[in-house]
Amino acid sequence: QSALTQPASVSGSPGQPITISCTGTSSDVGAYTFVSWYQKHPGKAPKLVIYEVSERPSGVSNRFSGSKSGNTASLTISGLQAEDEADYYCCSYTGTTTSDIIFGGGTKLTVL
Amino acid sequence: QLQLQESGPGLVKPSETLSLTCSVSGDSISSSSFLWGWIRQAPGTGLEWIGSILYRGSTYYNPSLKSRVTISVDTSKNQFSLKVNSVTAADTAVYYCARLIRANRYFDLWGRGTLVTVSS
Repeated sequence: QSALTQPASVSGSPGQPITISCTGTSSDVGAYTFVSWYQKHPGKAPKLVIYEVSERPSGVSNRFSGSKSGNTASLTISGLQAEDEADYYCCSYTGTTTSDIIFGGGTKLTVL
Repeated sequence: QLQLQESGPGLVKPSETLSLTCSVSGDSISSSSFLWGWIRQAPGTGLEWIGSILYRGSTYYNPSLKSRVTISVDTSKNQFSLKVNSVTAADTAVYYCARLIRANRYFDLWGRGTLVTVSS
């Protein structure tokens, strides 16, 4: 079971938008709408920012949005803020009884 | 408000068994709407799903860890547990427990995490 593929790092200036991609296969990302994204600051627990590809939990800024095309999901953060600097992980359901969940390798977002 | 708290030894010797417990407070663990999962992050690496369990005992495991991992649930104590056998330094990580929405497979609530170091 290989991790979903994410870029190791992305960066952007305050106020700019960035997009993080998450590429899987037709057995996970491409097969289901059960893609979620997590924000993780060092020393903190992960925080859910997107679920079901594009749904935003209550309390999460509307600057966070998600989408999917084929086997690739994307997280977009508009109007970057310094507090957005963190690691971001995508996650997908795999639909198998022996596995179930797979994470991406993570992307380090740097706000310049 | 539901909270999850991991507990267990912070230091385990190589070849021994790592044992952690996640205590759930603020709501019952006995709901078919949720799975209860373990995730870990080794130093300098990403998140790795270890496995999940339903309150009735059905389990799902990461294939890469399945041979060494056991997840169990104790509904009377509102807890679920993780055991990893034959640990090595590669099992050194921060271990998180989390609630997984069963219908949509996303983790909505997480514990703070606990660092487990494997060393003699």
